[in-house]
Amino acid sequence: GENVEQHPSTLSVQEGDSAVIKCTYSDSASNYFPWYKQELGKRPQLIIDIRSNVGEKKDQRIAVTLNKTAKHFSLHITETQPEDSAVYFCAASKTGYALNFGKGTSLLVTP
Amino acid sequence: KAGVTQTPRYLIKTRGQQVTLSCSPISGHRSVSWYQQTPGQGLQFLFEYFSETQRNKGNFPGRFSGRQFSNSRSEMNVSTLELGDSALYLCASSPGQSGYEQYFGPGTRLTVT
Repeated sequence: GENVEQHPSTLSVQEGDSAVIKCTYSDSASNYFPWYKQELGKRPQLIIDIRSNVGEKKDQRIAVTLNKTAKHFSLHITETQPEDSAVYFCAASKTGYALNFGKGTSLLVTP
Repeated sequence: KAGVTQTPRYLIKTRGQQVTLSCSPISGHRSVSWYQQTPGQGLQFLFEYFSETQRNKGNFPGRFSGRQFSNSRSEMNVSTLELGDSALYLCASSPGQSGYEQYFGPGTRLTVT
Protein backbone atom coordinates (compact mmCIF):
# COMPACT_ATOMS: atom_id res chain seq x y z
CA GLY A 1 0.00 0.00 0.00
CA GLU A 2 0.88 3.67 -0.07
CA ASN A 3 3.53 4.85 2.39
CA VAL A 4 3.84 8.56 3.18
CA GLU A 5 6.91 9.85 5.01
CA GLN A 6 6.83 13.34 6.52
CA HIS A 7 9.73 15.46 7.78
CA PRO A 8 10.57 17.04 10.10
CA SER A 9 8.47 15.73 12.97
CA THR A 10 8.94 19.01 14.85
CA LEU A 11 9.78 22.46 13.56
CA SER A 12 10.35 25.66 15.49
CA VAL A 13 10.60 29.01 13.71
CA GLN A 14 10.59 32.65 14.66
CA GLU A 15 7.56 34.73 13.76
CA GLY A 16 7.99 36.14 10.28
CA ASP A 17 10.27 33.33 9.09
CA SER A 18 9.29 30.70 6.53
CA ALA A 19 8.50 27.08 7.34
CA VAL A 20 8.87 24.13 4.98
CA ILE A 21 7.49 20.64 5.55
CA LYS A 22 8.36 17.81 3.18
CA CYS A 23 6.61 14.56 2.32
CA THR A 24 7.49 11.63 0.11
CA TYR A 25 5.12 8.98 -1.16
CA SER A 26 5.68 5.50 -2.55
CA ASP A 27 2.78 4.79 -4.91
CA SER A 28 3.29 6.45 -8.28
CA ALA A 29 -0.47 6.10 -8.93
CA SER A 30 -1.23 8.66 -6.20
CA ASN A 31 -2.67 11.79 -7.76
CA TYR A 32 -4.12 13.86 -4.93
CA PHE A 33 -2.10 15.52 -2.16
CA PRO A 34 -3.91 17.52 0.54
CA TRP A 35 -2.46 19.22 3.60
CA TYR A 36 -4.30 19.47 6.91
CA LYS A 37 -3.72 21.64 9.96
CA GLN A 38 -4.80 20.33 13.34
CA GLU A 39 -4.76 22.55 16.39
CA LEU A 40 -4.77 20.97 19.83
CA GLY A 41 -8.14 19.39 20.55
CA LYS A 42 -9.58 20.43 17.20
CA ARG A 43 -10.48 18.63 13.99
CA PRO A 44 -8.04 18.45 11.05
CA GLN A 45 -8.68 21.37 8.73
CA LEU A 46 -7.96 21.25 5.00
CA ILE A 47 -5.63 24.17 4.21
CA ILE A 48 -4.51 23.44 0.66
CA ASP A 49 -4.44 20.58 -1.82
CA ILE A 50 -2.84 19.80 -5.15
CA ARG A 51 -3.54 17.31 -7.88
CA SER A 52 -0.93 15.56 -9.94
CA ASN A 53 -1.52 17.62 -13.09
CA VAL A 54 -0.24 20.74 -11.30
CA GLY A 55 3.27 21.46 -10.06
CA GLU A 56 2.55 24.28 -7.64
CA LYS A 57 -0.40 25.94 -5.96
CA LYS A 58 -0.53 29.05 -3.78
CA ASP A 59 -3.08 30.47 -1.40
CA GLN A 60 -1.92 33.68 0.28
CA ARG A 61 0.94 32.71 2.63
CA ILE A 62 0.68 28.99 1.89
CA ALA A 63 2.03 27.13 -1.11
CA VAL A 64 2.43 23.50 -2.05
CA THR A 65 4.85 22.09 -4.62
CA LEU A 66 4.75 18.66 -6.19
CA ASN A 67 7.53 16.72 -7.90
CA LYS A 68 5.92 13.63 -9.42
CA THR A 69 9.19 12.26 -10.75
CA ALA A 70 10.81 12.27 -7.33
CA LYS A 71 7.51 11.46 -5.61
CA HIS A 72 7.69 14.25 -3.10
CA PHE A 73 5.65 17.31 -2.22
CA SER A 74 6.19 20.17 0.18
CA LEU A 75 4.24 22.75 2.14
CA HIS A 76 5.66 26.25 2.35
CA ILE A 77 4.36 28.80 4.85
CA THR A 78 5.75 32.31 4.52
CA GLU A 79 5.65 35.14 7.08
CA THR A 80 4.69 32.72 9.84
CA GLN A 81 2.49 33.91 12.68
CA PRO A 82 1.92 32.44 16.17
CA GLU A 83 -1.53 31.25 15.05
CA ASP A 84 0.20 29.01 12.50
CA SER A 85 1.38 26.86 15.43
CA ALA A 86 -0.29 23.45 15.02
CA VAL A 87 0.33 19.93 13.76
CA TYR A 88 0.40 19.70 9.98
CA PHE A 89 -0.36 16.48 8.12
CA CYS A 90 0.34 15.67 4.52
CA ALA A 91 -1.58 12.94 2.72
CA ALA A 92 -1.52 11.13 -0.60
CA SER A 93 -4.27 9.27 -2.39
CA LYS A 94 -5.00 7.67 -5.74
CA THR A 95 -8.73 7.70 -5.18
CA GLY A 96 -9.31 11.09 -3.52
CA TYR A 97 -11.25 9.65 -0.63
CA ALA A 98 -8.86 7.08 0.91
CA LEU A 99 -6.16 9.36 2.29
CA ASN A 100 -2.82 7.96 3.45
CA PHE A 101 -1.41 10.38 5.99
CA GLY A 102 2.11 11.22 7.07
CA LYS A 103 2.87 11.14 10.80
CA GLY A 104 2.57 14.89 11.18
CA THR A 105 4.82 17.88 11.84
CA SER A 106 4.41 19.89 15.01
CA LEU A 107 5.10 23.51 14.05
CA LEU A 108 5.81 26.06 16.75
CA VAL A 109 6.02 29.74 15.82
CA THR A 110 7.56 31.83 18.56
CA PRO A 111 6.97 35.60 18.74
CA LYS B 1 -23.86 25.17 5.81
CA ALA B 2 -23.44 23.26 9.00
CA GLY B 3 -20.21 21.30 9.27
CA VAL B 4 -19.71 17.59 9.76
CA THR B 5 -21.13 16.43 13.07
CA GLN B 6 -20.33 13.32 15.06
CA THR B 7 -22.04 11.71 18.03
CA PRO B 8 -21.26 10.95 20.71
CA ARG B 9 -18.22 13.13 21.30
CA TYR B 10 -16.88 10.99 24.13
CA LEU B 11 -17.41 7.36 24.98
CA ILE B 12 -16.02 4.97 27.58
CA LYS B 13 -16.46 1.25 26.99
CA THR B 14 -15.17 -1.96 28.49
CA ARG B 15 -13.11 -4.58 26.67
CA GLY B 16 -15.32 -7.02 24.83
CA GLN B 17 -18.21 -4.61 24.36
CA GLN B 18 -19.27 -3.16 21.04
CA VAL B 19 -19.79 0.46 20.06
CA THR B 20 -21.56 2.40 17.32
CA LEU B 21 -20.46 5.87 16.26
CA SER B 22 -22.47 8.22 14.10
CA CYS B 23 -21.51 10.81 11.50
CA SER B 24 -23.68 13.37 9.73
CA PRO B 25 -21.97 14.84 6.66
CA ILE B 26 -22.24 18.37 5.33
CA SER B 27 -25.55 18.80 3.53
CA GLY B 28 -25.21 17.64 -0.06
CA HIS B 29 -22.07 15.62 0.55
CA ARG B 30 -22.45 11.97 -0.41
CA SER B 31 -18.99 10.61 0.34
CA VAL B 32 -18.15 9.79 3.96
CA SER B 33 -14.78 8.46 5.11
CA TRP B 34 -13.74 7.25 8.52
CA TYR B 35 -10.30 7.52 10.12
CA GLN B 36 -8.72 6.40 13.37
CA GLN B 37 -6.26 8.79 15.03
CA THR B 38 -3.85 7.60 17.71
CA PRO B 39 -0.59 9.12 19.02
CA GLY B 40 1.39 6.10 17.86
CA GLN B 41 -0.10 5.33 14.46
CA GLY B 42 -1.34 8.77 13.47
CA LEU B 43 -4.29 9.06 11.12
CA GLN B 44 -5.31 5.79 9.47
CA PHE B 45 -8.02 5.25 6.88
CA LEU B 46 -10.78 2.84 7.93
CA PHE B 47 -13.32 2.89 5.09
CA GLU B 48 -15.32 5.11 2.78
CA TYR B 49 -18.91 5.11 1.63
CA PHE B 50 -20.59 6.72 -1.31
CA SER B 51 -24.28 6.34 -2.07
CA GLU B 52 -24.61 3.63 0.58
CA THR B 53 -21.79 1.54 -0.96
CA GLN B 54 -18.42 0.88 0.59
CA ARG B 55 -15.87 1.78 -2.05
CA ASN B 56 -12.65 1.24 -0.15
CA LYS B 57 -11.47 -0.29 3.09
CA GLY B 58 -8.27 0.22 5.01
CA ASN B 59 -6.15 -2.32 6.83
CA PHE B 60 -8.30 -2.94 9.87
CA PRO B 61 -9.72 -6.22 11.21
CA GLY B 62 -13.27 -7.28 10.46
CA ARG B 63 -14.35 -6.07 13.91
CA PHE B 64 -14.52 -2.63 12.31
CA SER B 65 -17.51 -2.15 10.06
CA GLY B 66 -19.65 0.64 8.79
CA ARG B 67 -22.65 1.57 6.76
CA GLN B 68 -24.23 4.56 5.10
CA PHE B 69 -27.88 5.46 4.95
CA SER B 70 -29.86 6.95 2.08
CA ASN B 71 -29.55 10.43 3.63
CA SER B 72 -25.72 10.00 3.55
CA ARG B 73 -25.42 9.74 7.33
CA SER B 74 -22.95 7.06 8.28
CA GLU B 75 -22.27 4.82 11.23
CA MET B 76 -19.28 2.77 12.17
CA ASN B 77 -19.33 -0.18 14.52
CA VAL B 78 -16.53 -1.81 16.45
CA SER B 79 -17.27 -5.18 17.99
CA THR B 80 -15.37 -7.01 20.72
CA LEU B 81 -13.49 -3.91 21.78
CA GLU B 82 -9.81 -4.15 22.65
CA LEU B 83 -7.70 -1.74 24.68
CA GLY B 84 -5.86 -0.81 21.49
CA ASP B 85 -9.08 0.50 19.97
CA SER B 86 -8.87 3.56 22.23
CA ALA B 87 -8.55 6.43 19.79
CA LEU B 88 -10.14 9.48 18.25
CA TYR B 89 -12.45 8.37 15.45
CA LEU B 90 -12.90 11.00 12.78
CA CYS B 91 -15.26 11.05 9.90
CA ALA B 92 -14.91 13.28 6.88
CA SER B 93 -17.32 14.17 4.13
CA SER B 94 -16.62 15.19 0.57
CA PRO B 95 -18.82 16.98 -1.96
CA GLY B 96 -18.11 14.97 -5.05
CA GLN B 97 -18.00 11.41 -6.21
CA SER B 98 -14.24 11.67 -6.46
CA GLY B 99 -13.85 12.25 -2.74
CA TYR B 100 -11.56 15.23 -3.09
CA GLU B 101 -11.66 17.95 -0.43
CA GLN B 102 -12.57 16.03 2.66
CA TYR B 103 -13.90 18.01 5.60
CA PHE B 104 -13.54 16.48 9.02
CA GLY B 105 -15.92 16.27 11.92
CA PRO B 106 -14.83 16.91 15.52
CA GLY B 107 -14.36 13.22 16.20
CA THR B 108 -15.51 10.75 18.82
CA ARG B 109 -13.01 10.05 21.59
CA LEU B 110 -13.34 6.37 22.47
CA THR B 111 -11.69 5.03 25.59
CA VAL B 112 -11.65 1.27 26.17
CA THR B 113 -10.95 0.12 29.73
